[in-house]
Amino acid sequence: GAGVSQTPSNKVTEKGKYVELRCDPISGHTALYWYRQSLGQGPEFLIYFQGTGAADDSGLPNDRFFAVRPEGSVSTLKIQRTERGDSAVYLCASSLTGAGGQYFGPGTRLTVL
Amino acid sequence: GESVGLHLPTLSVQEGDNSIINCAYSNSASDYFIWYKQESGKGPQFIIDIRSNMDKRQGQRVTVLLNKTVKHLSLQIAATQPGDSAVYFCAESTSGTYKYIFGTGTRLKVLA
Repeated sequence: GAGVSQTPSNKVTEKGKYVELRCDPISGHTALYWYRQSLGQGPEFLIYFQGTGAADDSGLPNDRFFAVRPEGSVSTLKIQRTERGDSAVYLCASSLTGAGGQYFGPGTRLTVL
Repeated sequence: GESVGLHLPTLSVQEGDNSIINCAYSNSASDYFIWYKQESGKGPQFIIDIRSNMDKRQGQRVTVLLNKTVKHLSLQIAATQPGDSAVYFCAESTSGTYKYIFGTGTRLKVLA
């Protein structure tokens, strides 16, 4: 079946602009995660959704970052007033319940010029 | 695709040999651990997991060992193949949090 998909695969933007990154989880998976991965580092937790609600958003670095999952399926990560330090690969993962292994998407590479 | 882990510790093994990748975790309350494989330009792929009530778990060609006393996790890959070349990450979690903390990763290079 279809895995986790993320769009766009690459996004180049200018400092100060607003961006949206989309994640389509595996159908039926109630848990959805966003991570950020910088070059040479492991994925860094940002936020976890269980259904429509953000169960844990403790990893969001500041209030420029926000994520939604209005219908409990697709999620959008929103970054306002982007900074060069936001450049990274943003990974989305889903799992059936939240407990157990996660299935990752291919990521969106964000470059802020 | 983007190369993952340009500055990561690297383990080079000969094809057919066994590989052992190590991971130290920090939180003594962590009770669930996962090993992931990440190839260049792709997201991490689940390999094997283990809960803290076990000290060993085996899969197909892979074994995970957990030593809670020293907070150490290892991944053993038997008969390493060229397709095993990738960056390997361990991740830890605590029951009820569903928040996963990833280690820094190890690059595995399989030499023909």
